[in-house]
Order: sequence, then C-alpha cells, then structure tokens
Amino acid sequence: QQKVQQSPESLIVPEGGMASLNCTSSDRNVDYFWWYRQHSGKSPKMLMSIFSNGEKEEGRFTVHLNKASLHTSLHIRDSQPSDSALYLCAASTNTGKLTFGDGTVLTVKP
Amino acid sequence: DAGVTQTPRHEVAEKGQTIILKCEPVSGHNDLFWYRQTKIQGLELLSYFRSKSLMEDGGAFKDRFKAEMLNSSFSTLKIQPTEPKDSAVYLCASSLARVGEQYFGPGTRLTVL
Repeated sequence: QQKVQQSPESLIVPEGGMASLNCTSSDRNVDYFWWYRQHSGKSPKMLMSIFSNGEKEEGRFTVHLNKASLHTSLHIRDSQPSDSALYLCAASTNTGKLTFGDGTVLTVKP
Repeated sequence: DAGVTQTPRHEVAEKGQTIILKCEPVSGHNDLFWYRQTKIQGLELLSYFRSKSLMEDGGAFKDRFKAEMLNSSFSTLKIQPTEPKDSAVYLCASSLARVGEQYFGPGTRLTVL
C-alpha cells in the first residue's frame, strides 16, 4: 500500500525552464517532508526538507507544503542539465522512519 | 569526516547462498537504516536501529533478512538463503537525530543467479 504518491513519473524540461514536482502522503500522522535527489548510479542525497506550512527557498529550489492536504511540491527554476536525476519525496512522523515515494525522473534537455 | 561506508560494492551470489553486507554509519550518528532499491519497488525500508536497538525489522522481509548492529559504528545485513528476486541495490543510511537528514552510503549491488 503506497503511502507517498509522486507525480509526474517523468518530466522533460528545456534548459533554463521550470520543473514542478508533486508529492502527497495518505498517512495523516506524518509531520515532516523531505526531498532527496539521486543521480544515475549514485545514492540519494537530501535536497530540501520542510516541516511547516508555507514555502521555503534555497537558491533555484523552492518547496511548498500544505499540511492540511499533506501535499508538497518542489519547483526548480532555471533548470540545468546537471539537475537531471530521480527526485524522491519522503514523509515521516516523529519516529524518524521515512516512507519514500517512487520518484519523478527529471530530464533537462540542453 | 567520513560518510557512510558500505562493503562490498558489488556481490554476486548463487541462489541459496548466504551473503553478509556491511555498513559503517557516520561517526556519532544514532540512527541506522537499511533499504533495498529496485526499479519496480523503489526504495523499501528493511530495518531501522536507534542507538543499536532494533526499532523496525521490515515486516515482509523478516523471514530471510536479518540486520544486526554489533556496535554503534558497525552493522551487518544477512540474507539467508538468497533468491534471484533479492537482486537489487542495498543502501545503508544514518542520521544524527530522530527527525534529521539521512545520509546514504554508496550501496551494494547484489546479483543473485
């Protein structure tokens, strides 16, 4: 039973464009959301985390969280070919255990 | 500072064999996680330790998978007996705090023939 749903499964954007990725949890007990990025052949690495309603920006990356709907989104502006990767969303309660979605494969075309 | 280390990086086993994967977490981290990653199933949690105590043993993976934390700086994952469907990348991760960033190791790619 999948508790974290990500969309779209894959996404192609032109270099310099905006990429928008979505994630929703079906577990009403979650309090924390994470975005991890995994380049091909590498292991996942945390990109951003968000725990409160609203928006958080770090450079070209912005995450939004709506705790009422348990929905988070990741937006990448001015996308670069080096941003091409698998983006994994994860949700957790205060136990520390993460539940990961299946991910969105982002391809940035030069 | 050294990150999470995993050995071996690659393992090839015959069906029915016993294999042991090893992990050293980031020094000082209290939480350690074992995951399995495949294209079809994605990233699945196998085991979770906090301060060397087993917090979760992965439900469906209990029968042939056994993770242990021998001390705060070393963990093993034993698969016995291996089956071809166990072919996957096995990732170890550690975290400093209960709600904290998880740092992943490079993974062990297991192929079971």
